[in-house]
Amino acid sequence: DAGVIQSPRHEVTEMGQEVTLRCKPISGHNSLFWYRQTMMRGLELLIYFNNNVPIDDSGMPEDRFSAKMPNASFSTLKIQPSEPRDSAVYFCASSPGASGRAVQETQYFGPGTRLLVL
Amino acid sequence: GDSVTQMEGPVTLSEEAFLTINCTYTATGYPSLFWYVQYPGEGLQLLLKATKADDKGSNKGFEATYRKETTSFHLEKGSVQVSDSAVYFCALRDTDKLIFGTGTRLQVFP
Repeated sequence: DAGVIQSPRHEVTEMGQEVTLRCKPISGHNSLFWYRQTMMRGLELLIYFNNNVPIDDSGMPEDRFSAKMPNASFSTLKIQPSEPRDSAVYFCASSPGASGRAVQETQYFGPGTRLLVL
Repeated sequence: GDSVTQMEGPVTLSEEAFLTINCTYTATGYPSLFWYVQYPGEGLQLLLKATKADDKGSNKGFEATYRKETTSFHLEKGSVQVSDSAVYFCALRDTDKLIFGTGTRLQVFP
């Protein structure tokens, strides 16, 4: 199993540019999570999907952030326009969990995308 | 709201030393508790978990016991190795979310 795949692994961009982070969950997993990790705030859940449907997006910091999951094997996290304070490592995770049990299952994390906004 | 507090690092140990990383939690219900480990340049991996009071989670020589009376889930290992050097995160499951502590960096020297 290839595990959760994220791309790109590193992204450097200038303030105001659009950034798109991509995630391919483990095949057969029903739930997908996007996290952000910073020194100041630690690891924060941004949004999670179950069966491609967004369940909880209360962690999305503001309207500049959006996430989609058009099918079971692909999700994107978009920041438009990006700001220096968005610099962080963004993790995608997936779990086998069915609806209502998503977070009870073990979450498998991708390697992360390190984003730097200048 | 629910929260997790863990000791600040870095924790620096010599190989074969005993490890304790403290973790306490605040929760209104009876959460499941987790330890995740993050090796350099990688994502988080589940290390162990416990789902109810007095449960002991264990894996790779690490152990943690769910203590409801002290609201704690301290991570221990009897003899650490250089390969255990990583960042360790305590977490709890709050209904539909995982809430993580800030992480504790462990550095083990030969």
